[in-house]
Amino acid sequence: EIVLTQSPGTLSLSPGERATLSCRASQSVSSSYLAWYQQKPGQAPRLLIYGASSRATGIPDRFSGSGSGTDFTLTISRLEPEDFAVYYCQQYGSSPRITFGQGTRLEIK
Amino acid sequence: QVQLVQSGAEVKKPGASVKVSCKVSGYTLTELSMHWVRQAPGKGLEWMGGFDPEDGETIYAQKFQGRVTMTEDTSTDTAYMELSSLRSEDTAVYYCATSSGSLDYWGQGTLVTVSS
Repeated sequence: EIVLTQSPGTLSLSPGERATLSCRASQSVSSSYLAWYQQKPGQAPRLLIYGASSRATGIPDRFSGSGSGTDFTLTISRLEPEDFAVYYCQQYGSSPRITFGQGTRLEIK
Repeated sequence: QVQLVQSGAEVKKPGASVKVSCKVSGYTLTELSMHWVRQAPGKGLEWMGGFDPEDGETIYAQKFQGRVTMTEDTSTDTAYMELSSLRSEDTAVYYCATSSGSLDYWGQGTLVTVSS
């Protein structure tokens, strides 16, 4: 079973700063099937990044994804107030088909 | 643009079953691979299962095997998730979501509360 571990658990930053979120897999993940989601309180998750580095429709270019193999990163270049939320990585592949990381909470410092 | 509209909140007693629906618009259900994800209060996302187009069948997370059934009514473009033998730990928001590897479109979520 592929386990995704996200770090840090909580990230405290100020608007305008750069955020770097990590997702590490217990075994190699196909880059084609690594995604990132943003979730705000009371809302469904929203797809940000798919295929490790492709932005979903309507996602601002301050969001970028990178990585391969077992190490993946979500970067938010310059934080806006609406970016403070919880972020999840997700892989799709071998059994179990879909797994999520435990999430990183991005909070205002 | 795919839109997914789920059924309303449910309150169930332990041991009962719940069936949540997910109505698709903008596409037909046969064009989509539907999955279900749940989120307990204050917790992370947990995949329950969904349709695997590679195998042509619905696959379930091992944790839910024997307790969950996912079905589709293509005449109404509605997907269903039924969870049986409910216990308090099943209290969660249940989401349907379409998959192309990533989970591209999500329903608004359905809160299922299990309480005696």
